[in-house]
This record gives sequence, C-alpha cells and structure tokens, in this order.
Amino acid sequence: EDQVTQSPEALRLQEGESSSLNCSYTVSGLRGLFWYRQDPGKGPEFLFTLYSAGEEKEKERLKATLTKKESFLHITAPKPEDSATYLCAVQASGNNRLAFGKGNQVVVIP
Amino acid sequence: DGGITQSPKYLFRKEGQNVTLSCEQNLNHDAMYWYRQDPGQGLRLIYYSQIVNDFQKGDIAEGYSVSREKKESFPLTVTSAQKNPTAFYLCASNGQINEKLFFGSGTQLSVL
Repeated sequence: EDQVTQSPEALRLQEGESSSLNCSYTVSGLRGLFWYRQDPGKGPEFLFTLYSAGEEKEKERLKATLTKKESFLHITAPKPEDSATYLCAVQASGNNRLAFGKGNQVVVIP
Repeated sequence: DGGITQSPKYLFRKEGQNVTLSCEQNLNHDAMYWYRQDPGQGLRLIYYSQIVNDFQKGDIAEGYSVSREKKESFPLTVTSAQKNPTAFYLCASNGQINEKLFFGSGTQLSVL
C-alpha cells in the first residue's frame, strides 16, 4: 500500500525565517510526486510535479526536491501570504490514483 | 476561464436524506475524481471516472454513488447509508493519468 507521511504537521515561522517541509513516501515504483497548496475552505492548487530522484523545481520562494524516499519543500524568506497547508501526493507506476499525506500547516507571522 | 465548478458551497443534510453534490468542468478532461477531506486527514478517494459512462470505487465508496453521463459532469450523491457524512468534499479532474489534478473549490457538507 502506498504511504505518504508529512512532517511537521504544523509550523509557525517568523516572516523571513526559511524552513523546509518533509514528505516521506513508500510506493512501488514512483510515477510522480505532487505538491499542492491549500488555503482554508478552498480547493488545493497545484505547485510542482517531480518525477525522478535528483529533480528540483522552483517557483518564487518555494523549491521542491526529490530523493528516492522523500521530498522536501523549501520555503525561503517566507511572507505572510505563504501561510497555507501544503499537501504532498504520490502516484505509483501502473496506478491512476494518488495517495495524499495529511499536509503541513504553515503559518507565517509578520 | 476553464476550470471546475462545485456547487453548492455549503450543504446541510437531514437524517435519512440523500443529497447530491454537483461538479462541472470545462477543461475537456476525460478523468474526474471525488475526494473527501476531514480535519487533520489526508484526501481520501471516494470514486473516480476515466471515461463517460464508466466509474470505479475508490477507498471509501460505501454510502456514496456517482454517475458520469456527460464528459463535463460528475455528480456525487451522499446517501442515507453514509452515517458520518460531515466533511469537505472536493472534485478534481485531469486529462491523463499522470497529469496534475485540477480541483474545484469544494462543498462543505454538514448534518442537521
């Protein structure tokens, strides 16, 4: 069974204080790992897809990296508008379904 | 603008009542999905459909039903058999299996 574990569950950061979110996964052959951002009461918004170990993708203050066992979402010099829950999901080869983690809730304090 | 529209935003169910959540997309996507989100939990798959007139059960299909009569529409019915329906329901779609999901804005279902 595909499993996704995200840590920490919740994180409070001062504005400008960089940090990293972890997504550990167990899957029988990774087809893709996805990061989404979700604001309260809204649907998730797509951030990144990573396909193979060593791959990195960046968007503004966010950078996602991937190894064979985990992915990190690095938040550099966060701003209050980066406050959200970040969801990680994996898709296994031969499977058209995603397994989601419980999310990392991030609060950035001005 | 292309996207996924879910309605209503809030829905209340009386005991013994069936309710239907609407999901419409104009992205021309073949695949559509229904997820349930509970506080502090990951998204759990209820049902999915890869093509019109065909759908499969997800991990928590009991107490739910769906139909896919049109490519654009994938309504979810929460039946009276679902004893704990209070949750945030999300509809999603994608064009191919390994593509990113596009999500709707969700429906919050509560029990009166």
